[in-house]
Amino acid sequence: DAGVTQSPTHLIKTRGQHVTLRCSPISGHKSVSWYQQVLGQGPQFIFQYYEKEERGRGNFPDRFSARQFPNYSSELNVNALLLGDSALYLCASSLAAGQGYYGYTFGSGTRLTVV
Amino acid sequence: DAKTTQPNSMESNEEEPVHLPCNHSTISGTDYIHWYRQLPSQGPEYVIHGLTSNVNNRMASLAIAEDRKSSTLILHRATLRDAAVYYCIPSPPGSSNTGKLIFGQGTTLQVKP
Repeated sequence: DAGVTQSPTHLIKTRGQHVTLRCSPISGHKSVSWYQQVLGQGPQFIFQYYEKEERGRGNFPDRFSARQFPNYSSELNVNALLLGDSALYLCASSLAAGQGYYGYTFGSGTRLTVV
Repeated sequence: DAKTTQPNSMESNEEEPVHLPCNHSTISGTDYIHWYRQLPSQGPEYVIHGLTSNVNNRMASLAIAEDRKSSTLILHRATLRDAAVYYCIPSPPGSSNTGKLIFGQGTTLQVKP
């Protein structure tokens, strides 16, 4: 079975631009969460979506937004990119909103570099 | 949100047991204790979780103190593949979980051949 897939794996953007990151959860998983991991730090929670509705939001500015599609895949959008947005963006999926018995399954992430 | 304290780094020799400690003295009575690890260039990976009793699975064992203010992740025989950053994360039960895992700095485990 395919795990959590994220695309693209790497990208480089210029300050002020907009970026869209994509995530496909494990088949049958209805919850998707997004995290930002800056180099040398642990991941920070951005959003969770379950059954296409936002269930949780971390302490990130309104430049960050996300949505979940009927097939449970998800997009993370970041507007007006800043240098500080350079990070590894991780997507995690689970069957339900909670972790369940096997925890959240994370993808390998999208490495975003803002220049 | 419960605050956790873990050593920044630990070393182990291959094939020896490793005990990774975590202090979570402000943990809520209903929070589970989850452990994740992150191998280089990968996303975090679920390892194990528990509430009050010690737990075992194919990857590791989790020993939880009686007062729940600390826990220890035990890798019975470390391999080179176990070199990773290990995070302990107190987390509310499923129904009230909004998907928010609070990752601290974690413990970087080095395994020497």
